[in-house]
Amino acid sequence: DTEVTQTPKHLVMGMTNKKSLKCEQHMGHRAMYWYKQKAKKPPELMFVYSYEKLSINESVPSRFSPECPNSSLLNLHLHALQPEDSALYLCASSQRLGQGSTDTQYFGPGTRLTVL
Amino acid sequence: AQTVTQSQPEMSVQEAETVTLSCTYDTSENNYYLFWYKQPPSRQMILVIRQEAYKQQNATENRFSVNFQKAAKSFSLKISDSQLGDTAMYFCAFMGQGGKLIFGQGTELSVKP
Repeated sequence: DTEVTQTPKHLVMGMTNKKSLKCEQHMGHRAMYWYKQKAKKPPELMFVYSYEKLSINESVPSRFSPECPNSSLLNLHLHALQPEDSALYLCASSQRLGQGSTDTQYFGPGTRLTVL
Repeated sequence: AQTVTQSQPEMSVQEAETVTLSCTYDTSENNYYLFWYKQPPSRQMILVIRQEAYKQQNATENRFSVNFQKAAKSFSLKISDSQLGDTAMYFCAFMGQGGKLIFGQGTELSVKP
């Protein structure tokens, strides 16, 4: 089973709203990732958690706030977003981070975010 | 810094024919992994195939196979007996020791009936 789930599938929010994206995996993976993807472009890495600790932050604006409550869950809290933040947000997980063969990332279906 | 280049932004192929997608990369590392991911219009990113750089044998998964040329830093994907469901954006990706995926710009493949 290589399933990563994400909720919601679609989200529309105003610039003053606060919302959260959720990602879940039950594969026992200890590394989880958030990516942002614009149409017809490759995903851009935002954050990486390894063993529930933030390992990589790719200089993402503070209006995006990640959280890893436990080894199966990853959240992305959104506040005061801009219209240019509209994109597909992908979550991924892998067994480990930076450990060679266990690094293969499996992606969720994504949340399509529209900021009005 | 590692880079991944996919020189074919768009390709098309007739159903049941064979198509090859190109990918080149640049790295100074010796141990790394290469991947092809498929992203259909539904937008789910799906792993197609993985190649470990230390393995000389080319990876194969059913109708999908790669031609891995380590010295040339080339990693092409061959799709045999193309099917309509293969229509998707295909991303080549590199992973070095840091564990970060470096993606190419993608090739949009259309399979025509």
